Amino acid sequence: AQSVTQLDSQVPVFEEAPVELRCNYSSSVSVYLFWYVQYPNQGLQLLLKYLSGSTLVESINGFEAEFNKSQTSFHLRKPSVHISDTAEYFCAVSSKTSYDKVIFGPGTSLSVIP
Amino acid sequence: DGGITQSPKYLFRKEGQNVTLSCEQNLNHDAMYWYRQDPGQGLRLIYYSQIVNDFQKGDIAEGYSVSREKKESFPLTVTSAQKNPTAFYLCASSGANTEAFFGQGTRLTVV
Repeated sequence: AQSVTQLDSQVPVFEEAPVELRCNYSSSVSVYLFWYVQYPNQGLQLLLKYLSGSTLVESINGFEAEFNKSQTSFHLRKPSVHISDTAEYFCAVSSKTSYDKVIFGPGTSLSVIP
Repeated sequence: DGGITQSPKYLFRKEGQNVTLSCEQNLNHDAMYWYRQDPGQGLRLIYYSQIVNDFQKGDIAEGYSVSREKKESFPLTVTSAQKNPTAFYLCASSGANTEAFFGQGTRLTVV
């Protein structure tokens, strides 16, 4: 079984400052890792994913995440945030060997302050 | 366009009534899921299905029921046994080696 921990429930940050949202997971098997973003009253949208290959993955809007197998982490970073990045961010994991269900972390609420 | 459609977007239920939330996908995905989201909380898995005519309980299945008669459809019924049904409900689907795709959600309110 897999589990996901997001240590920060809320992260306030000033506009144009860097941000890191932390995600750690536990699993006895190899995993796929995902970051999703949710804007108010909407469904979740995929931000980026790690399936295999390069451990650093990037999104089209400037976010990046690095898969660290030894630390079982998949932290999300952005060097300079915008007001429009204010949203809820969810880290998720699924097994590579048995893609039966996706496990989500509790979420981190990112608030960008003007 | 391919995607997941949830309906209705807003739903009001009287106490003691059963209501059914619709979820349809045209992505040809085998797996489908229902999640519940409460204010300030993450997603909690209600039910999931990996194949037609088969489904498994998630973490909070009590008071809910599902069916999977067609690959494209995975309706969720919130029964009167669910004591606190007011929440935001999200449906998702996934294929082999792909991420989960989400619908836009249904907000259910008990009046």
